[in-house]
Amino acid sequence: EPEVTQTPSHQVTQMGQEVILRCVPISNHLYFYWYRQILGQKVEFLVSFYNNEISEKSEIFDDQFSVERPDGSNFTLKIRSTKLEDSAMYFCASDSGGRGPQHFGDGTRLSIL
Amino acid sequence: ILNVEQSPQSLHVQEGDSTNFTCSFPSSNFYALHWYRWETAKSPEALFVMTLNGDEKKKGRISATLNTKEGYSYLYIKGSQPEDSATYLCAYHSNSGYALNFGKGTSLLVTP
Repeated sequence: EPEVTQTPSHQVTQMGQEVILRCVPISNHLYFYWYRQILGQKVEFLVSFYNNEISEKSEIFDDQFSVERPDGSNFTLKIRSTKLEDSAMYFCASDSGGRGPQHFGDGTRLSIL
Repeated sequence: ILNVEQSPQSLHVQEGDSTNFTCSFPSSNFYALHWYRWETAKSPEALFVMTLNGDEKKKGRISATLNTKEGYSYLYIKGSQPEDSATYLCAYHSNSGYALNFGKGTSLLVTP
């Protein structure tokens, strides 16, 4: 069964550095998402992406965050200048129609030191 | 802020017991209610997407019901098995966007 893949599984970065989290969504899916879960808290929506542009974003997704689909298969989340509070598990998801079940990757654990 | 609440927070049952959890969500601007099963170190796995008031869905020993008027959904597991041990997440999907708004989940442990 096709699946969403995320790399790396764990990223450790110094505060203030830039990080790029990578995702390969399911190939025929058209809608892409990033969520995150800070330890002990709910899974939170960050951003959705369709037709090469952001379709919705949350208050968390400020100017430090950006998303890109550079080559038709990868979907990336960039955090420009990381803060301690960016430490979380980041999940990528995709779906085919924007309204069905979203298929999640295994996540990238981001640790900011 | 959309309030999606799940109870109980955690549950420990014996193999063979049946169990159920609750998800409450806003009844306004409702589009769908999603249930996910999330095992440690794996990705959340979609169980059900429910859209209509009164919907009932079933997958093996797991079933779910939906009441959109009062804003709640129940997930039932019949004859729990150790492999059912996981966190069960519900997520509210409003009719105004694509985001899923998750509850904190119910952590289920089934012991032999």
